[in-house]
Amino acid sequence: AQSVAQPEDQVNVAEGNPLTVKCTYSVSGNPYLFWYVQYPNRGLQFLLKYITGDNLVKGSYGFEAEFNKSQTSFHLKKPSALVSDSALYFCAVRDITGTASKLTFGTGTRLQVTL
Amino acid sequence: NAGVTQTPKFRILKIGQSMTLQCTQDMNHNYMYWYRQDPGMGLKLIYYSVGAGITDKGEVPNGYNVSRSTTEDFPLRLELAAPSQTSVYFCASSYATGGAGNTIYFGEGSWLTVV
Repeated sequence: AQSVAQPEDQVNVAEGNPLTVKCTYSVSGNPYLFWYVQYPNRGLQFLLKYITGDNLVKGSYGFEAEFNKSQTSFHLKKPSALVSDSALYFCAVRDITGTASKLTFGTGTRLQVTL
Repeated sequence: NAGVTQTPKFRILKIGQSMTLQCTQDMNHNYMYWYRQDPGMGLKLIYYSVGAGITDKGEVPNGYNVSRSTTEDFPLRLELAAPSQTSVYFCASSYATGGAGNTIYFGEGSWLTVV
């Protein structure tokens, strides 16, 4: 079975500072990894994904993620955090067993950016 | 560009009542999914469909039913509502072709409370 772990329930960072939201994964084959963001009372919005190629993936709103195969990690990063980045972030891995490619989600990390 | 549309946004049900959560997408996606989100638990897959007339169970299907009579619509039926079904429900969809790299797009969610 494939799984994703987000070891931090909450990450606190001051506006203007760099942020990192951690994610590790476990898969039997090639990983297909995704980050989603959820603002209060809203649905999940796609941020970025890693399929193959460059280990540094750039996404929406200035976010990027670094794929590290040896450490089985896919950490989300942003060079300079904004208060408006405060939200719930989910890492997910694509499960391609069976007839449909389903996403398996981590438990989420709440990012709190303060002035 | 509507994307994935869910109704209703909010609903309060009494124990034992039944209801249907509606989901429609206008992106001509073959794959559709229903997830539920519980605090601290991430998202769990309830049911999914790979095309009209084809549905299958996810991780947590008990107490729910689905149907897929058209490509666009994927309603979720709750029979005999129980307090354990109090949750936020998300419908999602993606293309079939292109493999595991396809992005899954989510609706805005339906907040359901069973009392």
